Amino acid sequence: AQSVSQHNHHVILSEAASLELGCNYSYGGTVNLFWYVQYPGQHLQLLLKYFSGDPLVKGIKGFEAEFIKSKFSFNLRKPSVQWSDTAEYFCATKEGSQGNLIFGKGTKLSVKP
Amino acid sequence: DGGITQSPKYLFRKEGQNVTLSCEQNLNHDAMYWYRQDPGQGLRLIYYSQIVNDFQKGDIAEGYSVSREKKESFPLTVTSAQKNPTAFYLCASSISSGANQPQHFGDGTRLSIL
Repeated sequence: AQSVSQHNHHVILSEAASLELGCNYSYGGTVNLFWYVQYPGQHLQLLLKYFSGDPLVKGIKGFEAEFIKSKFSFNLRKPSVQWSDTAEYFCATKEGSQGNLIFGKGTKLSVKP
Repeated sequence: DGGITQSPKYLFRKEGQNVTLSCEQNLNHDAMYWYRQDPGQGLRLIYYSQIVNDFQKGDIAEGYSVSREKKESFPLTVTSAQKNPTAFYLCASSISSGANQPQHFGDGTRLSIL
């Protein structure tokens, strides 16, 4: 079965710091990778996705992620975080035949103003 | 606005009681999913449905049941057999179960035991 690992449980940064959240996935054939964000009290929202093509993917709110095939990684980055980026971030891949998402355990990001 | 509506937002269950969580979508999506979210564990799949009148068990289906009689509705019943039901339940849908189709999520239902 496919799996996703997120390295950091809780990351604390000051505003304007750079962010990188780690994500590793087990290879299941076709690559389908997602980053979702859950702001406090809100529903999960899609930040970005990667299926093929340019391995550097740009998403909403200034986020980007880089797919590195040799490392089975799909790390999320943002050059300068804001207090409003405080949220929980989930990396996910798709189960091929079922279509459901397989999530990592999530990383809580706290940004100090 | 199109979206996914989950109700109620908060739900309390007594011992031995079955409770049903509602999930409705007006996105005309074929595929619908139920996930359970526990702190530090991410989201885990309970049940999914790729098309109306069909559904499949996910990774943690024991103690849960679903139905998919209408395309827009995918209710989840938490039965008395589920011994640890306290969690945050998320419903999602996608156009199809195809690999490159993102899922859209509802606001969730938080279930607690009385």
